[in-house]
Amino acid sequence: AQTVTQSQPEMSVQEAETVTLSCTYDTSENNYYLFWYKQPPSRQMILVIRQEAYKQQNATENRFSVNFQKAAKSFSLKISDSQLGDTAMYFCALTGTASKLTFGTGTRLQVTL
Amino acid sequence: DAMVIQNPRYQVTQFGKPVTLSCSQTLNHNVMYWYQQKSSQAPKLLFHYYDKDFNNEADTPDNFQSRRPNTSFCFLDIRSPGLGDAAMYLCATSRGDRGPQETQYFGPGTRLLVL
Repeated sequence: AQTVTQSQPEMSVQEAETVTLSCTYDTSENNYYLFWYKQPPSRQMILVIRQEAYKQQNATENRFSVNFQKAAKSFSLKISDSQLGDTAMYFCALTGTASKLTFGTGTRLQVTL
Repeated sequence: DAMVIQNPRYQVTQFGKPVTLSCSQTLNHNVMYWYQQKSSQAPKLLFHYYDKDFNNEADTPDNFQSRRPNTSFCFLDIRSPGLGDAAMYLCATSRGDRGPQETQYFGPGTRLLVL
């Protein structure tokens, strides 16, 4: 079975600052992918960033980057230069060979002025 | 813009009264998913279709059924809603040809309230 744990239910960051959201996971598979999805208030969930487990290099997408620690089964998301539009629920998720997403419980991020 | 559309956005039903939620997509994706998301909980996969092939999760209650009459549309039927079925229901799609790395594209969800 796969599990994803997000231990920070809520976080707050000031505009233009940097914030890191934590995620740990467990899987018995060797070939898996990790994702961060963003769910803004009253809007659909969208993919933020994806990491392939067999790639050592951390994925980056503009202001978003991950710190993937495979041995520790840790997959944190760093948001640099936070913007008001980053306010959302962030879900960490995992897929294996079955291609099914297993989500964490989410971290609600509030970006303040 | 290609997208995943869910109607209605809010649905109120009575305890035990059948209800149907709908999802449509303009992405021409092979796979369509239904998730249940309760407050402060992770989205939980109920079932998915790969084209016409239906795949039910082992712990999805029999009360939940789904139909996919064509590529574009997928329906979630709750035969006898209970108070515990009140949740956000998310529809998602994916191409179905790239394995576990695939992005899933989500609709805005339908919030179901059971009175």
